[in-house]
Amino acid sequence: DAMVIQNPRYQVTQFGKPVTLSCSQTLNHNVMYWYQQKSSQAPKLLFHYYDKDFNNEADTPDNFQSRRPNTSFCFLDIRSPGLGDAAMYLCATSRDVLAEKYQETQYFGPGTRLLVL
Amino acid sequence: SQQGEEDPQALSIQEGENATMNCSYKTSINNLQWYRQNSGRGLVHLILIRSNEREKHSGRLRVTLDTSKKSSSLLITASRAADTASYFCAAQSGANNLFFGTGTRLTVIP
Repeated sequence: DAMVIQNPRYQVTQFGKPVTLSCSQTLNHNVMYWYQQKSSQAPKLLFHYYDKDFNNEADTPDNFQSRRPNTSFCFLDIRSPGLGDAAMYLCATSRDVLAEKYQETQYFGPGTRLLVL
Repeated sequence: SQQGEEDPQALSIQEGENATMNCSYKTSINNLQWYRQNSGRGLVHLILIRSNEREKHSGRLRVTLDTSKKSSSLLITASRAADTASYFCAAQSGANNLFFGTGTRLTVIP
């Protein structure tokens, strides 16, 4: 059974046209993440939600926004996509344990490949 | 940033040989994880080793962690053509964030 689902798997948009990528999870995890992965590069964390608390990475451009309307869904909004935003976008989740140290595995979705024309 | 570094960047071996990939990171961690990624696909979690562990095994996978050297290695024994993929290490510290290395592209030749 799919645990982390991303739709669509492939998305084509035009330069400057807003686009939304979606992620859903059946794991009931508290934390959801969005990563950007460009060709032949490591995934780069954009931001994550801990429940409803939004945590932005310092170097994530303002062009990228996120919404989490409920535990199961999280959206990545790119307000004005540029050619440099073409990449694979990975969603991941983790369960948070209230412990002294975090020992969490992240579960990844299959990704959405974004093409900007 | 705390992004890890992996070497080699690319590794090509014959089927049946062992493959060793190394990862170094910069600051203290809670755990280190290894992921696999087939071309154009999502990441698959392979194994997690905690900061107080030195070695873990999972089938044909063996992971070591040396916190004094801030390094980890992933060994795949008796490689198969289906092991061809990119392998990433990811260091976890603080609250849930993972910092990925640049990856090793493994090619196993049948």
